[in-house]
Amino acid sequence: NAGVMQNPRHLVRRRGQEARLRCSPMKGHSHVYWYRQLPEEGLKFMVYLQKENIIDESGMPKERFSAEFPKEGPSILRIQQVVRGDSAAYFCASSEGTGGFYEQYFGPGTRLTVT
Amino acid sequence: AQKITQTQPGMFVQEKEAVTLDCTYDTSDQSYGLFWYKQPSSGEMIFLIYQGSYDEQNATEGRYSLNFQKARKSANLVISASQLGDSAMYFCAMREKNNAGKSTFGDGTTLTVKP
Repeated sequence: NAGVMQNPRHLVRRRGQEARLRCSPMKGHSHVYWYRQLPEEGLKFMVYLQKENIIDESGMPKERFSAEFPKEGPSILRIQQVVRGDSAAYFCASSEGTGGFYEQYFGPGTRLTVT
Repeated sequence: AQKITQTQPGMFVQEKEAVTLDCTYDTSDQSYGLFWYKQPSSGEMIFLIYQGSYDEQNATEGRYSLNFQKARKSANLVISASQLGDSAMYFCAMREKNNAGKSTFGDGTTLTVKP
């Protein structure tokens, strides 16, 4: 049973370009979460999605960032017009359910570097 | 609002000794889960141990145990018989049952095991 998959593992973008990060949850998981980790910091929650629905986007920056989890295919975190401050590791996690009793399984992360 | 505090930016321990990594939390929810993750230099997030707020016994997983003191709102991680491979960043995290899947992470503790 494959774990959570993220691609690409490393992404380099110039300022002003778009970044697309993909996350395929574990088989049977319909809940996806995105977190961002700035250098030397802990993970910060960005968004929680179920299939075709955004459940909680309280951690998403109001501009340039968007996320989706379509009926078919991976979840996508999209960052438009990237700036140097977007350089970070972006982790996706998935779970069977929600709340304090379901484990969130993390992917290996995508390291975004903005030059 | 939920908050996690890890007050030890860095810790050193001698190989084969035990070490305690501190974590305090704040929440107004009665039902929540506490998690510890290990992040080695390779960057992935590895789940270590979970403690539910209603669990009366401290959680244990192999060499890891969680010293849960609910009244003090602390959830310290104890690693027994430290190994060189334990050198990594360790994150404490919390999830409230009423706050969907959002995990809040501390800023982490860097553990270095000395031979």
